[in-house]
Amino acid sequence: QVQLQESGPGLVKPSETLSLTCTVSGDSISSNYWTWIRQPPGKGLEWIGYIYSSGSTSYNPSLKSRVAMSVDTSKNQFSLKLSSVTAADTAVYYCARNTYLGVWGKGTTVTVSS
Amino acid sequence: DVVMTQSPDSLAVSLGERATINCKSNESVLYSSNNRNYLGWIQQKPGQPPKLLISWASTRESGVPDRFSGSGSGTDFTLTISSLQAEDVAIYYCQQYYSRPYTFGQGTKLEIK
Repeated sequence: QVQLQESGPGLVKPSETLSLTCTVSGDSISSNYWTWIRQPPGKGLEWIGYIYSSGSTSYNPSLKSRVAMSVDTSKNQFSLKLSSVTAADTAVYYCARNTYLGVWGKGTTVTVSS
Repeated sequence: DVVMTQSPDSLAVSLGERATINCKSNESVLYSSNNRNYLGWIQQKPGQPPKLLISWASTRESGVPDRFSGSGSGTDFTLTISSLQAEDVAIYYCQQYYSRPYTFGQGTKLEIK
């Protein structure tokens, strides 16, 4: 059974960089797309972007200048970095498998506050 | 960006009755080369992470009850719950994965009448 688990700090200060990791179990991270999505409190879902196992990426243009994704095949993990965060980046962050989001992690809440 | 518009925003249906949620895209999400619609339906129950119910517009994911069905092609899609159960209370989202950035509908909140 495939499982994804997000991890990272729950509190980030404004202007700093948010860093999250998604650990994949039950599946190899190779030869697949891995996606990040976020959901601000009480709002809908926003696609942040994806990374292929080869390292190629696609980001939402609304965040592109601040986003970086990476993959570590040796640890079966992929990561998200979002720089220069503001309160508007406060959200639950999810990782998911594939472009069609076939499997989701439970999500991790990130609050941006001083 | 492809804009996904769901209707209605909220819906109240009696137990055992049919629920229908619509999703419209402002561009076709049908890929002519493989005749596949790059459209998914996602369920988010209160306090839970989202879960994919249907991919490719009409393919039910493993373990999803057969009362859930998806239909449509091109720009117009429908999620139907044939006989509403109490555990189906949730927000339902459509998502297109045809054109980047991939986008979601605003969500439809389904409640029991």
